[in-house]
Amino acid sequence: KQEVTQIPAALSVPEGENLVLNCSFTDSAIYNLQWFRQDPGKGLTSLLLIQSSQREQTSGRLNASLDKSSGRSTLYIAASQPGDSATYLCAVRNNFNKFYFGSGTKLNVKP
Amino acid sequence: GAVVSQHPSWVICKSGTSVKIECRSLDFQATTMFWYRQFPKQSLMLMATSNEGSKATYEQGVEKDKFLINHASLTLSTLTVTSAHPEDSSFYICSARHRGEYYEQYFGPGTRLTVT
Repeated sequence: KQEVTQIPAALSVPEGENLVLNCSFTDSAIYNLQWFRQDPGKGLTSLLLIQSSQREQTSGRLNASLDKSSGRSTLYIAASQPGDSATYLCAVRNNFNKFYFGSGTKLNVKP
Repeated sequence: GAVVSQHPSWVICKSGTSVKIECRSLDFQATTMFWYRQFPKQSLMLMATSNEGSKATYEQGVEKDKFLINHASLTLSTLTVTSAHPEDSSFYICSARHRGEYYEQYFGPGTRLTVT
């Protein structure tokens, strides 16, 4: 069964710092990998989606990479802002359209 | 476009009662909807997959008689938690798959259930 792990569980950084969130998965037979943002008590906002054949995706200050063979993905956030404070979830989707989520990294960006 | 809503956004019920949560695709037809549960500080776990007009498929360990899922139309799926207990308190999120887009799923905002 696919297992998704995110490290660290929590991260606190000063505003303006660049940071990296890590995601690892045990089964490399994935269809794609997606990074979400979840604000407290809210649903999910999709940030970036990387197809299994891709190596990275970029959107504004966010960059996500994927190394399928080693079962790893990273989310890079440049010049962090207090508004980036949220929980970031990594999810892999298999070929049967099932999502497997990590437990998330709770990010706090201090002003 | 591709908006999914859930109702209610939060609900408090007494132990032993049943509560229904609705998941609606507002501007598209969803042949498949997924129900997830999220406990505090934990990740989302898939509970079941519901296809319009047929019985839901439950994940291992999820009691089908306790979590009743109905997907009666292409825009609405409901999750009924029967005989709720405090341990059922959780955040329930649905997602909907757009008809014709097998690998697109759109997530609802979630429903916070508290059982007292």
